Amino acid sequence: DIQMTQSPSSLSASIGDRVSITCRASQSISGYLNWYQQKPGKAPKLLIYAASSLQSGVPSRFSGSGSGTDFTLTISSLQPEDFATYYCQQSYSTLTFGPGTKVDIK
Amino acid sequence: QVQLQESGPGLVKPSQTLSLTCTVSGGSISSGTYYWSWIRQPAGKGLEWIGRIYTSGSTNYNPSLKSRVTMSVDTSKHQFSLKLSSVTAADTAVYYCAREDSSGYNWFDPWGQGTLVTVFS
Repeated sequence: DIQMTQSPSSLSASIGDRVSITCRASQSISGYLNWYQQKPGKAPKLLIYAASSLQSGVPSRFSGSGSGTDFTLTISSLQPEDFATYYCQQSYSTLTFGPGTKVDIK
Repeated sequence: QVQLQESGPGLVKPSQTLSLTCTVSGGSISSGTYYWSWIRQPAGKGLEWIGRIYTSGSTNYNPSLKSRVTMSVDTSKHQFSLKLSSVTAADTAVYYCAREDSSGYNWFDPWGQGTLVTVFS
């Protein structure tokens, strides 16, 4: 299986901050990488697919980049509703998710 | 828009079979280029893909669970189902059903709200 890691595992940030989360694959996955947001007690929500394509209805402050083994999710200006846990997911082979990055209020 | 809803027992005894159903509404389970998947999440932990089924009945399972998983689909009822046999406490989790893109990037959207299944004697 392809192993996914995320860094940091958690971060504290303020409203308006620019936040970046990194996802790394144990081998090249080309651009087969998706990002999700999960709030407590809720199902994950798709944010970004194919590494950099914004899902319909998702605010443009979210963006994704990367290819190969290294990927980044960026929130350009953190809003109150963005405090959540973020997961990456690879679809190059047997589907696996990263361990998550929790974003909370500083 | 398409909505998914999981249903099934919340408590299962060890060694028994966990059975869940996902009902699709707001759209046809047979339309589009989609798979129908199950994903689980133990409390406080990450997400694990269990497997997928296509409306033709073809399936793919996570190798780590393959020996215990069976999925089926009933297009007339707009439902697909999961059976996980020989459960242990390690199978306690929130189980989600989700629509999975089949065009190549295999993203999940939308998801059901999730249902907690506890393995408890």
